[in-house]
Amino acid sequence: EAGVTQFPSHSVIEKGQTVTLRCDPISGHDNLYWYRRVMGKEIKFLLHFVKESKQDESGMPNNRFLAERTGGTYSTLKVQPAELEDSGVYFCASSTGLVDTQYFGPGTRLTVL
Amino acid sequence: DQQVKQNSPSLSVQEGRISILNCDYTNSMFDYFLWYKKYPAEGPTFLISISSIKDKNEDGRFTVFLNKSAKHLSLHIVPSQPGDSAVYFCAASGRRTGANNLFFGTGTRLTVIP
Repeated sequence: EAGVTQFPSHSVIEKGQTVTLRCDPISGHDNLYWYRRVMGKEIKFLLHFVKESKQDESGMPNNRFLAERTGGTYSTLKVQPAELEDSGVYFCASSTGLVDTQYFGPGTRLTVL
Repeated sequence: DQQVKQNSPSLSVQEGRISILNCDYTNSMFDYFLWYKKYPAEGPTFLISISSIKDKNEDGRFTVFLNKSAKHLSLHIVPSQPGDSAVYFCAASGRRTGANNLFFGTGTRLTVIP
């Protein structure tokens, strides 16, 4: 069974540009989560989808971040416009049920210059 | 404000000895706790978990202990192996609240010396 995949693995952009991160969860997993780790700090929750619906987006830092999960399969996280403090590693995780173990992807390292 | 804390950024242990990684939390609504292991350039990998109704859970060489009154949990690895060298993250969630988003600590880098 394929794990959670994320694309790209690394993105370097300039401040003010737009970047879109993609996550493909494990097939059949209705729950999809985005997390972010900034500068060696803790991994922080951003938002949670159940199928195509946003269940909890309390961790989204501001309105420059837009997440979508059309059709309840893969998800995208767009940052527009990117700021320096957005640099970090963005992880996606998925689980079958709400209380099931979350399996993480390898992450996308975003560097904003 | 960080609700899950791992106060030791690093730990070195000799191969074959016990590794003890510690974690403290502040939110009394947390009722489920997990440990994840992370290798460089990879995502966190689930290791072991414990519900707040238990005080110990064991899986092979890995045991997690939970002390609810102290809001403290620990991960014991016995015996430690060089392949255990990684960053270990403690995480917690408040499932009774209907949420399963995880709150993580900052991680402890474990180095097992052959």
